[in-house]
Amino acid sequence: KNEVEQSPQNLTAQEGEFITINCSYSVGISALHWLQQHPGGGIVSLFMLSSGKKKHGRLIATINIQEKHSSLHITASHPRDSAVYICARSSGSARQLTFGSGTQLTVLP
Amino acid sequence: NAGVTQTPKFRILKIGQSMTLQCAQDMNHNYMYWYRQDPGMGLKLIYYSVGAGITDKGEVPNGYNVSRSTTEDFPLRLELAAPSQTSVYFCASSYGGTSYSNQPQHFGDGTRLSIL
Repeated sequence: KNEVEQSPQNLTAQEGEFITINCSYSVGISALHWLQQHPGGGIVSLFMLSSGKKKHGRLIATINIQEKHSSLHITASHPRDSAVYICARSSGSARQLTFGSGTQLTVLP
Repeated sequence: NAGVTQTPKFRILKIGQSMTLQCAQDMNHNYMYWYRQDPGMGLKLIYYSVGAGITDKGEVPNGYNVSRSTTEDFPLRLELAAPSQTSVYFCASSYGGTSYSNQPQHFGDGTRLSIL
C-alpha cells in the first residue's frame, strides 16, 4: 500500500466546474505538497502546507492533520488547468518527497 | 536564473552501456534530489543530497550512483544500463533552511531515457 493515496486517478470536467482532488497519507509528515505536471512533462510546485488552508488565484489547498487528508480545489476550471496534479508528503533529513500516483485532470471547453 | 538544468533531454542507450545524467542548479540550494517516473506510477526517490560531499540512498537506488562535489551539481550515473531503467528522470533542488523548515522543491525539465 502506497503511503500517499490520491483520488480520483482521472477526472474530466466541463469548463467552469468546481474541481476537488483528494489525497490521504498514512504516516506523519513535515509538509504536504501539491504539484502540477504539465502535458509537456515539467513539474511545478503549487502549494506546500502543514496546516490549514492556502489559496493562490483559483486554486485552494486544505489539510486536516488529524485525519491525514488534504484536498486541492480548483474553482471556475479552465481548459488550461488540464494537467496531472500530484500530492506528495515530505519527511526525513532532506524533506525528501513521497509521491501519490497523480490525478489526470482534463477540462473540456 | 536558469533554475534546475538537466542534460540531456532525451537519450537512447543499449543494454550494458553507461551514462551520466547531468543536473545543475544556480539557486544555491543545498538539498538536491533525483527521482524517476515510470508510466502510470508516481515519482520515486533514487538518491538525495543535503550538501556537497553528502549523499544518501532513496527508495530505488539499485543500479545508480551519485556524487556531489559542488553545491551546484548533482550527476546521476548509470553503470550497466538495463531495460528496467527506462524511465523519465527528474532532478530537483530546495533550500535546506533550518531543521524545522519546509521549502518547495524546484524541478528540472526531465531526461527521457530508453534502454533497448
